[in-house]
Amino acid sequence: RKEVEQDPGPFNVPEGATVAFNCTYSNSASQSFFWYRQDCRKEPKLLMSVYSSGNEDGRFTAQLNRASQYISLLIRDSKLSDSATYLCVVNRAGSNYKLTFGKGTLLTVNP
Amino acid sequence: DTEVTQTPKHLVMGMTNKKSLKCEQHMGHRAMYWYKQKAKKPPELMFVYSYEKLSINESVPSRFSPECPNSSLLNLHLHALQPEDSALYLCASSQEARGTDTQYFGPGTRLTVL
Repeated sequence: RKEVEQDPGPFNVPEGATVAFNCTYSNSASQSFFWYRQDCRKEPKLLMSVYSSGNEDGRFTAQLNRASQYISLLIRDSKLSDSATYLCVVNRAGSNYKLTFGKGTLLTVNP
Repeated sequence: DTEVTQTPKHLVMGMTNKKSLKCEQHMGHRAMYWYKQKAKKPPELMFVYSYEKLSINESVPSRFSPECPNSSLLNLHLHALQPEDSALYLCASSQEARGTDTQYFGPGTRLTVL
């Protein structure tokens, strides 16, 4: 099983749609979880950290299920500007600062 | 200000050249990182500096040589690279070298090795 595995995508959705990304991680000792977004030919930017209790930031909701080793990101009322690659990121167990990135899921929001 | 700057934006070099990539942050961060990203792949960690000391080298070939002259600067010296080393090189920094600290990425240097 890969360290961090994401939906392969790509996702093509109309404006206003709700879209969900899923991610699983293999090491139960992993401690920290993040969603980053990366626009084409740009650097990754932090979208949200993911907390055990789940967290919401406007149209974005992140959930963590430690028992299932599963992380999700929900985007409601999607906008054209949400088009990007979404990267699931997990800190590598045994070392607190070695982040492991999933392969990313490309989202295209269409008018 | 959560800005990490990198120069140059683009670099083309031959296999016998020596060049350097530069990264700078003025956020008072004590951890800095080099990543390599190939097209349609996620970033891969190369090096981690914590308090100006190299703490992680992810088995990177010696033709890549990192340097941290001070807490704000991180360099990556390149020598005798191969065409397969062509990639986007990303620098990042975080408050400390802790998994809970957000890593802020610079815009990257797009490197082409001929």
